[in-house]
Amino acid sequence: GNSVTQMEGPVTLSEEAFLTINCTYTATGYPSLFWYVQYPGEGLQLLLKATKADDKGSNKGFEATYRKETTSFHLEKGSVQVSDSAVYFCALSESTGANSKLTFGKGITLSVRP
Amino acid sequence: DGGITQSPKYLFRKEGQNVTLSCEQNLNHDAMYWYRQDPGQGLRLIYYSQIVNDFQKGDIAEGYSVSREKKESFPLTVTSAQKNPTAFYLCASSPGLETQYFGPGTRLLVL
Repeated sequence: GNSVTQMEGPVTLSEEAFLTINCTYTATGYPSLFWYVQYPGEGLQLLLKATKADDKGSNKGFEATYRKETTSFHLEKGSVQVSDSAVYFCALSESTGANSKLTFGKGITLSVRP
Repeated sequence: DGGITQSPKYLFRKEGQNVTLSCEQNLNHDAMYWYRQDPGQGLRLIYYSQIVNDFQKGDIAEGYSVSREKKESFPLTVTSAQKNPTAFYLCASSPGLETQYFGPGTRLLVL
């Protein structure tokens, strides 16, 4: 079956530091890949996505590249801000006919210090 | 404004009681989903519905029930058979193109 593995957390960084959050996946076909972000007490928001190999998703300074050869979709940001403090989830979606389900990683908490 | 609303924000359940969580969307999405979130475990799929009057069990459906009588609405009932209901419940919808959009969530607590 499909699975998503995220690096262990939590992660604590100083403001303006470089961020990398690792994500690898296992899938039987050709999934789409997503990063979602969850701020405290809220639902999930789509951060970025990529639908095929070598695609790069980007949003709000965050980037992730779909690497089929390493089955990875690592999230990066060059300079984090305090407002980036949140929980980040990597997910994949494989459509089978009319059905589409997301498989999530366990999430990782990012805290950014001023 | 288009979006997904969930109510209530907090819900308290007594022993042996059934409670219903509301999820409404005005995005005209065909598919709707319910997830349960526990600390350190990510999101787990409870039920999903691709079309009105049809729904399927997810990975952890035991102790839960749903209905889909209208396209806009997908309520979740947490029954007394669910022995560990304390969690954060998230509803999502999708236009069928894989991306899911989430509501703000309902936190269920047991008295």
